[in-house]
Amino acid sequence: ETGVTQTPRHLVMGMTNKKSLKCEQHLGHNAMYWYKQSAKKPLELMFVYSLEERVENNSVPSRFSPECPNSSHLFLHLHTLQPEDSALYLCASSQDTSYEQYFGPGTRLTVT
Amino acid sequence: QQQVKQSPQSLIVQKGGISIINCAYENTAFDYFPWYQQFPGKGPALLIAIRPDVSEKKEGRFTISFNKSAKQFSLHIMDSQPGDSATYFCAAPLLNTGFQKLVFGTGTRLLVSP
Repeated sequence: ETGVTQTPRHLVMGMTNKKSLKCEQHLGHNAMYWYKQSAKKPLELMFVYSLEERVENNSVPSRFSPECPNSSHLFLHLHTLQPEDSALYLCASSQDTSYEQYFGPGTRLTVT
Repeated sequence: QQQVKQSPQSLIVQKGGISIINCAYENTAFDYFPWYQQFPGKGPALLIAIRPDVSEKKEGRFTISFNKSAKQFSLHIMDSQPGDSATYFCAAPLLNTGFQKLVFGTGTRLLVSP
């Protein structure tokens, strides 16, 4: 276990649904990340939070909405997704002075 | 454009052999180069990393070799074992950011045959 947990592990949702992904880190880190992992593509950085403030938004569509209520928790709110949004969504954390990122197991999302 | 090019896309090695995965970087920051290992159903896990003040770093059967002039770094897995079968990702720091962010390669799927 890396100390980063994600729920749910699997999610199937229709294009009109609203759902949320949850990430929790138990490492005492102060930075958290959302990545999208699609087959045969590099990991795509979506959002970065440092000290609960968003510091990066890599031109992600507004149907993805992150929330970081404290340094241990990170959410990704999803609404009106498209089938091409189906992917593995990974959460990671780090201490902001370190490049060492620790990943959770991911949420496998399928949009039907 | 900042990117990391990784090869090969897939690799089959016999047990006991040497697995070699290569990465070339462009326009990235120059201070940290990690390799991540990912098993099916798991997130990527940091395997080994190098800072460019050295040309090689070894941890057990895993070695990173760094070639500054060629802007390349590679992962060598000695005495490869079936348990090493996984997907491996290289990464490099993004340039000109006030924060520690990484850009990843596309991954190499390694299969070590018994």
